[in-house]
Amino acid sequence: EVQLVESGGGLVKPGGSLRLSCAASGFMLSRFSMNWVRQAPGEGLEWVSTITHTGGYINYADSVKGRFTISRDIANNSLYLQMDSLRAEDTAIYYCTRDIGTRDDSWGQGTLVTVSS
Amino acid sequence: SVLTQPPSVSGAPGQRVTISCTGSSSNIGSGYDVHWYQQLPGTAPKFLVYGNTNRPSGVPDRFSGSRSGTSASLVITGLQAEDEADYYCQSFDSSLSGYVFGSGTKVTVL
Repeated sequence: EVQLVESGGGLVKPGGSLRLSCAASGFMLSRFSMNWVRQAPGEGLEWVSTITHTGGYINYADSVKGRFTISRDIANNSLYLQMDSLRAEDTAIYYCTRDIGTRDDSWGQGTLVTVSS
Repeated sequence: SVLTQPPSVSGAPGQRVTISCTGSSSNIGSGYDVHWYQQLPGTAPKFLVYGNTNRPSGVPDRFSGSRSGTSASLVITGLQAEDEADYYCQSFDSSLSGYVFGSGTKVTVL
């Protein structure tokens, strides 16, 4: 069974950093593109970042470019999102997702990040 | 949002409702596939339709999708109380080089 379990969310002050983790099970990260998608309270979904199955292509939404870094650990079958220079507008539930828009599409339950002083 | 959806639609049980998703020449109009998600309150989005018209295993055939030109639609036939949720369309945008989501539509079952 495919499972994605996010962790690492919490309360952080503006300008601070946080590292989100996504533990994958039931499949190998090296075979699928992975993404982070976020949802601000009461708002819609926003794509944040993608890393392809080879790790050879990485992309970010303009709203996080230069501040967030996506990475993965194949040995531990885990996906990460390093978030630096956090702003109030980064407050959201962050979802780890597999292969958006394909028959293999799968989402975790999300982890809440709150940026507030 | 890059993809525009109506904020809300409603219908009585058993009725048919349609949710539109309007894009542009850099996303849907370029031939990129449209996918749909259902989000129940307090839960993660659930994959509903992929590749414009296909349903993942386990999704009832009451849900159907289509795409034409720069737009796409999700149709729910035989509306049921458990269909009350938020629905999002999603595609790829070549100008942004990234995935884009619709603004979301709340479906209310009267």
